[in-house]
Amino acid sequence: GAGVSQTPSNKVTEKGKYVELRCDPISGHTALYWYRQSLGQGPEFLIYFQGTGAADDSGLPNDRFFAVRPEGSVSTLKIQRTERGDSAVYLCASSSQDGYEQYFGPGTRLTVT
Amino acid sequence: GEDVEQSLFLSVREGDSSVINCTYTDSSSTYLYWYKQEPGAGLQLLTYIFSNMDMKQDQRLTVLLNKKDKHLSLRIADTQTGDSAIYFCAEKGRDDKIIFGKGTRLHILP
Repeated sequence: GAGVSQTPSNKVTEKGKYVELRCDPISGHTALYWYRQSLGQGPEFLIYFQGTGAADDSGLPNDRFFAVRPEGSVSTLKIQRTERGDSAVYLCASSSQDGYEQYFGPGTRLTVT
Repeated sequence: GEDVEQSLFLSVREGDSSVINCTYTDSSSTYLYWYKQEPGAGLQLLTYIFSNMDMKQDQRLTVLLNKKDKHLSLRIADTQTGDSAIYFCAEKGRDDKIIFGKGTRLHILP
């Protein structure tokens, strides 16, 4: 079946602009995670949804970052007033109710110039 | 906060066994994972172990967990050139958050 998909695969934006990154989880998966991976680092947890609600958003670096999952399926990560330090690969993962196996999407590479 | 540590590099000759080590701090970890990331590719879940197990074997992969010392290892038997990648150790706590290490780059020598 289809895996986790993320769009766009690459996004180049200017400093100060607003961006939206989309994640389509595996059908039926109730849990959805966003991570950020900088060069040479492991994925860094940002936010976790169980259904429509954010169960844990403690990893969001500041209030410029926001994520939604209005219908409990697709999620959008929104970044306002982008900064060069936001440049990274943004990864999405989903898992079923019991949640012990996470499946990752290919990521969106965000470059802020 | 929770932390996961692993060495950054490992070089192994083709055909030998590779052992990648990891330590973690969260004593309430429920699951521990090994992910593989090849250049330009996404993260692939290789294997995982529940915290009440001490060993899991899956074909060429053997995971050992020492819960007392909070130490996890991944052994790859008969290492091949296709095993060249970055291997991430990760742990999941009771809050369902998954914390990753920085990754170990496995380099295969001919």
